[in-house]
Amino acid sequence: NAGVTQTPKFQVLKTGQSMTLQCAQDMNHEYMSWYRQDPGMGLRLIHYSVGAGITDQGEVPNGYNVSRSTTEDFPLRLLSAAPSQTSVYFCASSSRANYGYTFGSGTRLTVV
Amino acid sequence: QQQVKQSPQSLIVQKGGISIINCAYENTAFDYFPWYQQFPGKGPALLIAIRPDVSEKKEGRFTISFNKSAKQFSLHIMDSQPGDSATYFCAASRDGGTSYGKLTFGQGTILTVHP
Repeated sequence: NAGVTQTPKFQVLKTGQSMTLQCAQDMNHEYMSWYRQDPGMGLRLIHYSVGAGITDQGEVPNGYNVSRSTTEDFPLRLLSAAPSQTSVYFCASSSRANYGYTFGSGTRLTVV
Repeated sequence: QQQVKQSPQSLIVQKGGISIINCAYENTAFDYFPWYQQFPGKGPALLIAIRPDVSEKKEGRFTISFNKSAKQFSLHIMDSQPGDSATYFCAASRDGGTSYGKLTFGQGTILTVHP
């Protein structure tokens, strides 16, 4: 099993550009989340989903969109990149039966 | 609004010593408290978790102590090893309805274990 796969691993964007961070899991997990990690701030929840077709906002949703058309995939879209979105982004998934979240290896995004 | 406060920010321990990381939470509706371990360049990995119906949970060298009245919980690493050097995050969430999965993380503690 691959677990949670995130692509790309690294990305540099110019201010105003848009892009999609990909996340896929092969564990048939119902729950998926996106977090951003910034120094000294821990991980902050951006958006999450409790199943296909169901999404909700987290703590820092502004500037990001998500959709969940399948159980496996949960892409995160940056609409118009800003330097404040420079961060490391993690996707995670979990099943209801096992509360522990499995995290991907992250995408390091730099907005210049 | 930081609902989970973690301390210290960094911790240096000698091999064989005890590492202690503390967290305090504000939301009394939280009922699931996991700890995650993160190595450089990797995603966090679940280390151990506790629910408020018990005051302590032990898995190998790792122990969570939970004080519901004080709204605090801590991670103890016994016989700390250089391989334990990592960043540790506490977290909290509610187990119910659409709140499930909304983990709130602490700020993280960088643990360094010297040989």
